[in-house]
Amino acid sequence: AQSVTQLDSQVPVFEEAPVELRCNYSSSVSVYLFWYVQYPNQGLQLLLKYLSGSTLVKGINGFEAEFNKSQTSFHLRKPSVHISDTAEYFCAVSDPYNQGGKLIFGQGTELSVKP
Amino acid sequence: DVKVTQSSRYLVKRTGEKVFLECVQDMDHENMFWYRQDPGLGLRLIYFSYDVKMKEKGDIPEGYSVSREKKERFSLILESASTNQTSMYLCASADPVRQVWDSSYNEQFFGPGTRLTVL
Repeated sequence: AQSVTQLDSQVPVFEEAPVELRCNYSSSVSVYLFWYVQYPNQGLQLLLKYLSGSTLVKGINGFEAEFNKSQTSFHLRKPSVHISDTAEYFCAVSDPYNQGGKLIFGQGTELSVKP
Repeated sequence: DVKVTQSSRYLVKRTGEKVFLECVQDMDHENMFWYRQDPGLGLRLIYFSYDVKMKEKGDIPEGYSVSREKKERFSLILESASTNQTSMYLCASADPVRQVWDSSYNEQFFGPGTRLTVL
């Protein structure tokens, strides 16, 4: 069975500092990987996804993530955060053979950007 | 833009009441999903549907049922609400695109959520 672990439940950081949100997955098959963001009082929206090809994936709002198969990780990074990046971030995995695109989500990481 | 709407942002119900949460999407997506979101637990799949009148249980279906009579609408039903069903409920839809090179492959589009409180 697949699972996703987000190693940090909360990450406080100062504005303009770099940030890394960690995500590890377990799966016996190839996977597709996603990062979603949830701003306060809103639904989730897709930040970026890894399906195949280059292991470095760029997303919206200056975020990027690197797929590391040997370490089964998909960490999210941003070189310089803004106050507006304060949100909850979810890593998710789907089985490429799973029809309908079911996703398994991690527990979420609350990013809090302070001035 | 894909739009997924949910009937209520906030809902307060009493224990034992029957509760309906409605979700509507406007992009003709075949797949629809209901999740519940709780602090520290992330999103957990309750039920999903591949097509009209088709449904499958997710990871935590107990105490819930669903209805999909029309393609655009997916309803979550709490037959007899209990306090442990107090949570945020999120609906999502997706197009079962098979081609991995399509930019929308496997992307789920979410509604704003319904925060349900059961007293």
